[in-house]
Amino acid sequence: SQQGEEDPQALSIQEGENATMNCSYKTSINNLQWYRQNSGRGLVHLILIRSNEREKHSGRLRVTLDTSKKSSSLLITASRAADTASYFCAPQGGSEKLVFGKGTKLTVNP
Amino acid sequence: EADIYQTPRYLVIGTGKKITLECSQTMGHDKMYWYQQDPGMELHLIHYSYGVNSTEKGDLSSESTVSRIRTEHFPLTLESARPSHTSQYLCASSDPQREYGTQYFGPGTRLLVL
Repeated sequence: SQQGEEDPQALSIQEGENATMNCSYKTSINNLQWYRQNSGRGLVHLILIRSNEREKHSGRLRVTLDTSKKSSSLLITASRAADTASYFCAPQGGSEKLVFGKGTKLTVNP
Repeated sequence: EADIYQTPRYLVIGTGKKITLECSQTMGHDKMYWYQQDPGMELHLIHYSYGVNSTEKGDLSSESTVSRIRTEHFPLTLESARPSHTSQYLCASSDPQREYGTQYFGPGTRLLVL
């Protein structure tokens, strides 16, 4: 299992703006998952992108994956105050275990 | 919302006490996990289980122990709590055969050891 590194560590935007956060990893993967964590709560699974996919959408979320650069990005469009949370990526290779980094702390100001 | 539950949600306890953090899920998942997370920091896997009577230590060494006697139940026990155990503990489960290893998390237990 390998850890993803999220960037930036913190991001502050205004409501209605788009938020982009990035994830880099080191070795080949089968899929990559993104999770959200509201303050003091458990993680919630947002989206999974497989290694043979380049882009995936779910509502206001858009995830891209570039396996040649070993990186992924999560875009949240038209952000809302309720999107304020920490976002974690979890690259997954052969192991079923996930390793989480420190995440990106997103603050959406009303 | 995932069908995975943790109790208690908050616990304040004195040094030396024995505590058990409960985790249960109703999704029939074979795989379950315990993570430890300090505020603003990454999650560290401390225990996992691939099914009944299976338990393994995770990537972060922990003085806690776990058991898996029933599929739906994965309690974590600290025999003698210390202030260094103060943290948030998150339980999760997954069914890799159906959902590529997507993990479902409980709400967490915040532990404060005085």
